Amino acid sequence: KAGVTQTPRYLIKTRGQQVTLSCSPISGHRSVSWYQQTPGQGLQFLFEYFSETQRNKGNFPGRFSGRQFSNSRSEMNVSTLELGDSALYLCASSLMAGGEGTQYFGPGTRLTVL
Amino acid sequence: EDKVVQSPLSLVVHEGDTVTLNCSYEVTNFRSLLWYKQEKKAPTFLFMLTSSGIEKKSGRLSSILDKKELSSILNITATQTGDSAIYLCAVPNSGGSNYKLTFGKGTLLTVNP
Repeated sequence: KAGVTQTPRYLIKTRGQQVTLSCSPISGHRSVSWYQQTPGQGLQFLFEYFSETQRNKGNFPGRFSGRQFSNSRSEMNVSTLELGDSALYLCASSLMAGGEGTQYFGPGTRLTVL
Repeated sequence: EDKVVQSPLSLVVHEGDTVTLNCSYEVTNFRSLLWYKQEKKAPTFLFMLTSSGIEKKSGRLSSILDKKELSSILNITATQTGDSAIYLCAVPNSGGSNYKLTFGKGTLLTVNP
């Protein structure tokens, strides 16, 4: 079974731009969660999607948004990029929502904001 | 707010040593505690500990949950260079529609030959 895939793997943007990251979950998984990982803050929860609905959102500004499609693929968008948005963005998929299943992580997208 | 604290933040050992990594948590309605290993990019799942499964073992790795002390330890015996990684501890909150997984900042383990 293929694992979680994320595209692109690396991205360089400048302040003020916007970016869209993509995550394809493991086949059959309907829950996708997004996390931001930085050296200072560690892994922080952004949001979880299940069956095309956002179930919960972490403490991030409204510039961070996401969506999920009917095939469970998910995208995350960050608008008006700031230098502090430079991070590794990880998505994780699980069979069930609400923490009822083990989460499997993708390789991440390394975003650098200049 | 849920809180997960790991210690030490980093650790350097020699091959063959035994290491113990610590994780303490504060969360309402405890359900489980998870350990992940992150080598390069994707964290990979190691163990899930719950009230009904407080001890897990897989090869040289083992983990114990102490619900009284609100903590868990991850032991690695006879360490190898391939064990070098960041070890992450995570605790979910009450789940349901407000599900959120809170991670500690991780322990960076370096195993030297």
